[in-house]
Amino acid sequence: EAGVAQSPRYKIIEKRQSVAFWCNPISGHATLYWYQQILGQGPKLLIQFQNNGVVDDSQLPKDRFSAERLKGVDSTLKIQPAKLEDSAVYLCASSLEVSIYGYTFGSGTRLTVV
Amino acid sequence: DQQVKQNSPSLSVQEGRISILNCDYTNSMFDYFLWYKKYPAEGPTFLISISSIKDKNEDGRFTVFLNKSAKHLSLHIVPSQPGDSAVYFCAASEAGANSKLTFGKGITLSVRP
Repeated sequence: EAGVAQSPRYKIIEKRQSVAFWCNPISGHATLYWYQQILGQGPKLLIQFQNNGVVDDSQLPKDRFSAERLKGVDSTLKIQPAKLEDSAVYLCASSLEVSIYGYTFGSGTRLTVV
Repeated sequence: DQQVKQNSPSLSVQEGRISILNCDYTNSMFDYFLWYKKYPAEGPTFLISISSIKDKNEDGRFTVFLNKSAKHLSLHIVPSQPGDSAVYFCAASEAGANSKLTFGKGITLSVRP
């Protein structure tokens, strides 16, 4: 089966600019997650979708971050305006059920804010 | 509040020897525990998991041990190979339809030839 696709792989922007990341999950996976991984730390959940509804966005900085999952398939994560501390790898993952199977991650987008 | 803790940031072992990676957790509601492996410029990949009703799960060279009373799990890699050099994340989740994984900070394993 095809994996989780993410684009772009790398992005460099200046602070206060906006940026968007795209994710296409594994076909049939109802749950989609966006994680932020800052260098030296573990992935931190930003938002979780079940089909096209939001299940958990408690750690999403809503003043600058937004995400949507139209039609319960692809998803986009946007940052506007970006801050220096947003420099991180943004990982998208999808799953059928978490349990002992976990989820499948994409390769991530490495964002550098200068 | 860090619910999953990997207190050692790095580990270096000789090829052929055992690698033991440790993980502690604080949330007694966690039911599933997973290990992910991450190479540079790639996303984490699932390695092995264990449910709370077991205390050991083995898959080839990889074995995960769970001690629920101590809220501790460990990943054993025997024998270690240079290709095992990567960052290893411990993760855990509660049961339920909308469960999600909580990750530790990761351990960088280096296997010396």
